[in-house]
Amino acid sequence: DAGVIQSPRHEVTEMGQEVTLRCKPISGHNSLFWYRQTMMRGLELLIYFNNNVPIDDSGMPEDRFSAKMPNASFSTLKIQPSEPRDSAVYFCASSDLAGGRGAQYFGPGTRLLVL
Amino acid sequence: SQQGEEDPQALSIQEGENATMNCSYKTSINNLQWYRQNSGRGLVHLILIRSNEREKHSGRLRVTLDTSKKSSSLLITASRAADTASYFCATDGETSGSRLTFGEGTQLTVNP
Repeated sequence: DAGVIQSPRHEVTEMGQEVTLRCKPISGHNSLFWYRQTMMRGLELLIYFNNNVPIDDSGMPEDRFSAKMPNASFSTLKIQPSEPRDSAVYFCASSDLAGGRGAQYFGPGTRLLVL
Repeated sequence: SQQGEEDPQALSIQEGENATMNCSYKTSINNLQWYRQNSGRGLVHLILIRSNEREKHSGRLRVTLDTSKKSSSLLITASRAADTASYFCATDGETSGSRLTFGEGTQLTVNP
């Protein structure tokens, strides 16, 4: 299996622009997670889907962030408009068990820099 | 607040030595997991220990869990330079809505 696939790997954009991050989970996994990692705040869960349905979005910072999972093999995280404080590494992870009940498999991350 | 807190924040040892990292948490858990993150990479799952388990092994890794003290330890035996990475504990709290909460990690450096 190819593992969790994320794109792009790096993104540099200017403040105010829209940013779309993409994720393809491991085939057969029914849980998908979006995390953000920064030096200041560590690893934070943004949103968690189970069977394509958002279960917990309490970590989404504000209305500028939105996430979708139109089918079992694809998810997007969108930031509009982007701000410098959104600069971070964004990870997608998937699991074959719901929530934190099982191992989570992380993608390589998208390193986002908002100027 | 962070559910899992690792100790120490940084650890530097020589190749061949054992490395022990600790994790403390605040609330009751369903399970506790350990992950490794190499610089610039995603996290890699190492081991999961359930709340009714006390010890688990995987290769050179040994994890213990003491629910009475709300703590866990990760022991890496016969360390190698390739073990250099950040190590995170993550807890699936009974009241956390089935979300994993990660600690801030221990940065392990194994010197050749």
